[in-house]
Amino acid sequence: GESVGLHLPTLSVQEGDNSIINCAYSNSASDYFIWYKQESGKGPQFIIDIRSNMDKRQGQRVTVLLNKTVKHLSLQIAATQPGDSAVYFCAAYRGYSGGYQKVTFGIGTKLQVIP
Amino acid sequence: EPEVTQTPSHQVTQMGQEVILRCVPISNHLYFYWYRQILGQKVEFLVSFYNNEISEKSEIFDDQFSVERPDGSNFTLKIRSTKLEDSAMYFCASSPRDPTQPQHFGDGTRLSIL
Repeated sequence: GESVGLHLPTLSVQEGDNSIINCAYSNSASDYFIWYKQESGKGPQFIIDIRSNMDKRQGQRVTVLLNKTVKHLSLQIAATQPGDSAVYFCAAYRGYSGGYQKVTFGIGTKLQVIP
Repeated sequence: EPEVTQTPSHQVTQMGQEVILRCVPISNHLYFYWYRQILGQKVEFLVSFYNNEISEKSEIFDDQFSVERPDGSNFTLKIRSTKLEDSAMYFCASSPRDPTQPQHFGDGTRLSIL
């Protein structure tokens, strides 16, 4: 079946360091990917997305890398700040002929920023 | 910035009872979704809704569940004859034009079945 998994359940980084969170997906038909941030008691918050025709996309302090060959994507956060502490998870979307995207979510990685 | 709002934030219900979770999507959005997140587990897709009908549903979304858009602003999830395993966070989301656009999530309703 489909699965989207994360390599590390918890990641601790020093404030100011860069963070890298990884995600593997199983369905090669997935063509759109989103990284979400979820703070305690809040809903998922969109961070950055990437489509399968790209291998890198940059936002403000964040970069997503997509390797379709090994079905892997990563989220890089530059100069990690205490406010970045949250659970991060990826979502893999797959289009259907009718246009609807079937989504599978990863479990999540908890990022802990050490001041 | 416009937000998806969900009420109540916490719902406690006796097993076997019916519960309605409410959502107000962002006003100009056209696609609406419900997701479930059991404590400590991943977010799971339940259903999507477009043009006043279900566009897709997962295997979780069985006859126990139904969705409705009773007016121009609310989007509801009804769970009939609740079971203990229905306890979870339920998230509503909406997206502006098509399902490939990023979805905006509400902060969820925590449903506790006793």
